Amino acid sequence: NAGVTQTPKFQVLKTGQSMTLQCAQDMNHNSMYWYRQDPGMGLRLIYYSASEGTTDKGEVPNGYNVSRLNKREFSLRLESAAPSQTSVYFCASTISLAGAYNEQFFGPGTRLTVL
Amino acid sequence: DAKTTQPPSMDCAEGRAANLPCNHSTISGNEYVYWYRQIHSQGPQYIIHGLKNNETNEMASLIITEDRKSSTLILPHATLRDTAVYYCIVGSGGGADGLTFGKGTHLIIQP
Repeated sequence: NAGVTQTPKFQVLKTGQSMTLQCAQDMNHNSMYWYRQDPGMGLRLIYYSASEGTTDKGEVPNGYNVSRLNKREFSLRLESAAPSQTSVYFCASTISLAGAYNEQFFGPGTRLTVL
Repeated sequence: DAKTTQPPSMDCAEGRAANLPCNHSTISGNEYVYWYRQIHSQGPQYIIHGLKNNETNEMASLIITEDRKSSTLILPHATLRDTAVYYCIVGSGGGADGLTFGKGTHLIIQP
C-alpha cells in the first residue's frame, strides 16, 4: 500500500494563476480531508469529504474548491492564487466507522509558494 | 470541539521517559483525547487515543486523569527520532470530523 499520495511535492505560482493539487489513497477509506499548515502553526481544515459524492467546508475554505472524483481521489483547486495561500497542504483520509475512533492517515504534503 | 493547552516546547534526554502534558478542561463526555506527532516537514502521524481509561500501544502510553480534564502522553524510552511536534487533540471521534490542531509541543530529544 502506498497510503496517501499527493502531487506535486512542490509548486511555485504567480498571483492569479490557477492549479489543482491531487490526492489519492489506496486504503479504501470513506472520508478524505484537505488541511493547510502555515509556518509555526498547526494544521487547519480547508474542506473534507465524508463519503464519495459529498464535500463540506472546513475552517478556512475561502479561495479553494474541491472535487471528490471517486472513492480514491480528492482534489483541491486554487482558481486564482494569492500570496496568502502560500502554505504546506496536507491531504488525509480515514475509514470513518461509526462508534469508534478512526485515525487519520496523512500524505507527505505539497509545498506551495505564491509570488 | 474542546480546546487544548500544551507547553510550546520541552527537552528530554535520550533514553529517558518523555512526559508530555495536555490540559483539556472543557472536554465533553463523548469526546476522545488523541495524540498525533509531526516530524519535521512530514505529514502528522497518529500515536494513540483514549476516552476514559489509560491506554498503551507499541509507541506510547496515554494517562487520562479521572476527571478527564488533563492527560499525559508518555514515550517510555525516547530516542533522537522522537524529536517532533506533538499535538494533543480532543474531538468526537468516529464519523468524518476533521481534526482541530493547536500549535502542539515541540519535543527535543537531547543526546
